[in-house]
Amino acid sequence: DAGVTQSPTHLIKTRGQQVTLRCSPKSGHDTVSWYQQALGQGPQFIFQYYEEEERQRGNFPDRFSGHQFPNYSSELNVNALLLGDSALYLCASSSLAEPSYNEQFFGPGTRLTVL
Amino acid sequence: QQPVQSPQAVILREGEDAVINCSSSKALYSVHWYRQKHGEAPIFLMILLKGGEQKGHDKISASFNEKKQQSSLYLTASQLSYSGTYFCGTEANAGNQFYFGTGTSLTVIP
Repeated sequence: DAGVTQSPTHLIKTRGQQVTLRCSPKSGHDTVSWYQQALGQGPQFIFQYYEEEERQRGNFPDRFSGHQFPNYSSELNVNALLLGDSALYLCASSSLAEPSYNEQFFGPGTRLTVL
Repeated sequence: QQPVQSPQAVILREGEDAVINCSSSKALYSVHWYRQKHGEAPIFLMILLKGGEQKGHDKISASFNEKKQQSSLYLTASQLSYSGTYFCGTEANAGNQFYFGTGTSLTVIP
């Protein structure tokens, strides 16, 4: 059973560019959440997708957008990159069919560096 | 709304015990605990739900005081592999937005 996978592993971009990160959830999971983790900090919630719609959103600007596909995989898009967007981006999958636990399984992350 | 953890950092010798605390200013539905090693994804340790349900690994124990919105993670007979940063995560309601705590760095030395 494959766990959560993310691609790419590492990415280097320059200010002003746009980036797309991808996530495939654990088998059987229907919900994908995205987090940004700056160096030395805890993960910060960006947004959550369920049934192909953004279900919840954290305190992030509209430059951060996402999408969920019918197979539950998800993309995170960031436009007009800033130096401060450099971070580890984590994807976590869970199942709203088991909301009592909402146990989240994390992928290995994508390390984004903005120069 | 970010939960506050204490201590920020702790160093243990193998075999010693540690307690990590997590405190929220909001009423909580659940508290989750994760361990993250440098450059890796957080790994699930335990979930504690309002009402007393728990789910987690056999060698990990934790408590959840619903009235005080506090949780504690108990690490006993620590091993070198316990080293990492521990995060609590909280939900105000089932399936709601998840807030990670400030983190506790744990180092176990021989």
